[in-house]
Amino acid sequence: QKEVEQNSGPLSVPEGAIASLNCTYSDRGSQSFFWYRQYSGKSPELIMSIYSNGDKEDGRFTAQLNKASQYVSLLIRDSQPSDSATYLCAVKGGSYIPTFGRGTSLIVHP
Amino acid sequence: GAGVSQSPSNKVTEKGKDVELRCDPISGHTALYWYRQSLGQGLEFLIYFQGNSAPDKSGLPSDRFSAERTGGSVSTLTIQRTQQEDSAVYLCASSGIARDEQFFGPGTRLTVL
Repeated sequence: QKEVEQNSGPLSVPEGAIASLNCTYSDRGSQSFFWYRQYSGKSPELIMSIYSNGDKEDGRFTAQLNKASQYVSLLIRDSQPSDSATYLCAVKGGSYIPTFGRGTSLIVHP
Repeated sequence: GAGVSQSPSNKVTEKGKDVELRCDPISGHTALYWYRQSLGQGLEFLIYFQGNSAPDKSGLPSDRFSAERTGGSVSTLTIQRTQQEDSAVYLCASSGIARDEQFFGPGTRLTVL
């Protein structure tokens, strides 16, 4: 059973701070890793994908992957109230079907 | 370009009725997925289509659920004899060949009374 674990939160951070969202996965053969943002009542929106160990930066977002530790994280710098949402981690291995975590709720308060 | 589209956006039906939900993937995307998300819950995989290959139906919760994809493009998810526990948001996603990122449609909110 492939599992993707996320802390459900809520994670509460002040505006302007760095939000750190974490995800662990069980399948060592996983090759593709994704972060999605889901606003309440809306569908998931792709933020970033990462495939290699290390960091990948896109604007205020940085994804970090450590395959040895089976750990992927998302950092959001200069957090804004508009970043308040649920963040979903998804992991894909040999199967074409990704496994999604339950998501972490992020609240950025002014 | 146009994203994934789904219709209807909302569907209210009575218990026991059949419903059809439609998904139009991003042009050129060969892979299409259906998911279900109940209130406050995670994404539940239902079915996966890849090109002209046989679909992966391993996530369908019962034989009341079926899906087809015509011409490798538009997909229809059919739920027969709907039950109240079928009430959820049904999400469709598609992905291309070169990159395996999924892009989601806006979803169809199904309410079974």
